[in-house]
Amino acid sequence: GIQVEQSPPDLILQEGANSTLRCNFSDSVNNLQWFHQNPWGQLINLFYIPSGTKQNGRLSATTVATERYSLLYISSSQTTDSGVYFCAVLLPSGTYKYIFGTGTRLKVLA
Amino acid sequence: DAGVTQSPTHLIKTRGQQVTLRCSPKSGHDTVSWYQQALGQGPQFIFQYYEEEERQRGNFPDRFSGHQFPNYSSELNVNALLLGDSALYLCASSSRRDNEKLFFGSGTQLSVL
Repeated sequence: GIQVEQSPPDLILQEGANSTLRCNFSDSVNNLQWFHQNPWGQLINLFYIPSGTKQNGRLSATTVATERYSLLYISSSQTTDSGVYFCAVLLPSGTYKYIFGTGTRLKVLA
Repeated sequence: DAGVTQSPTHLIKTRGQQVTLRCSPKSGHDTVSWYQQALGQGPQFIFQYYEEEERQRGNFPDRFSGHQFPNYSSELNVNALLLGDSALYLCASSSRRDNEKLFFGSGTQLSVL
């Protein structure tokens, strides 16, 4: 089956720093989403990005589907950015289950 | 616009008991998926319901079953609970009209003692 790996697994930043999180997937995908899971367990949608680049405030994401990776950029990090970031991919037609990556646990220090 | 709602938020059961978790999808969504998230891991797909039928199932035993109602809300049932069923259970809704984007509820934390 498809493998979805994220790096780094853990990241500690000082408030105000920038970071790049990576999601590699081993097969072609139809959809890709980035989520932030806050300390209370809520999974919050960040981006729906099967290809291309999107920006939303301090966050932006890029997916290069042909090379099977996606990047999430966090600029000027804040303590509220702490939590776990997951990418999730949906395989091409015939399946309806999203496969989640291994996650990146981010801690932003004040 | 109501998001995905789940109930209850927390639940404590003992081994062998049965549990029912509930989910109402986001307005305009007709598909409900259930995920199990063990501590420190990513969500794992249990199954998906569409048009009141189970459309796809992950690698979970038959003790896990579900239902979808005509109003698109859904239930997850787990029978003969095991200690290993302790986890956060997440419901997600989606729709083809919304590019199958997943939107999650806040989850039900199940503890099996």
